[in-house]
Amino acid sequence: AQSVTQPDIHITVSEGASLELRCNYSYGATPYLFWYVQSPGQGLQLLLKYFSGDTLVQGIKGFEAEFKRSQSSFNLRKPSVHWSDAAEYFCAVVSYDTGRRALTFGSGTRLQVQP
Amino acid sequence: GAVVSQHPSWVICKSGTSVKIECRSLDFQATTMFWYRQFPKQSLMLMATSNEGSKATYEQGVEKDKFLINHASLTLSTLTVTSAHPEDSSFYICSGDSEQSYEQYFGPGTRLTVT
Repeated sequence: AQSVTQPDIHITVSEGASLELRCNYSYGATPYLFWYVQSPGQGLQLLLKYFSGDTLVQGIKGFEAEFKRSQSSFNLRKPSVHWSDAAEYFCAVVSYDTGRRALTFGSGTRLQVQP
Repeated sequence: GAVVSQHPSWVICKSGTSVKIECRSLDFQATTMFWYRQFPKQSLMLMATSNEGSKATYEQGVEKDKFLINHASLTLSTLTVTSAHPEDSSFYICSGDSEQSYEQYFGPGTRLTVT
């Protein structure tokens, strides 16, 4: 079964510092990968997605992610974090070659931003 | 991106009563809709997948007689929590995708509190 691992439950960074959130996935010859952000009590907002092509994808709010097939990773990065980035971040994967269309989510990483 | 709405956004009900949550795709036809549940400080867990006009497929451990899902049209799916109990209190999020897209579009979620 496909799975997603986000090894960091909680990360604290200073405002202006760089950020990298890790995501590892298993399974799927052709994974489709996503990063979502969720503020408390809110729904999910899509930050970026990878389907194919260039392995470095740009998203909204200055985020980017790099797909590395050899490492089964899809890490999210931002060069300079803003206080408004404090939220919960979820990595998700779907692999249509399994016939399963539902997303599998990682456990999430809570980001705190220190002034 | 495509828009999915959910109604109500929050609901409080008494133990033993039933609650219906609606999920609508506003500007696309959702051939498949998904229902997720999210407990506080946890990730999203898939409850069921539904295709328009057919019975929903429930994940292991999800009681189909308790969580009734109806996907009567390409733009509407409903989740009815029957005989709700306090342990059913959670954040319920729906999403939809279409045959033309590899992306799921999420609703804003419904907060259910059972007293």
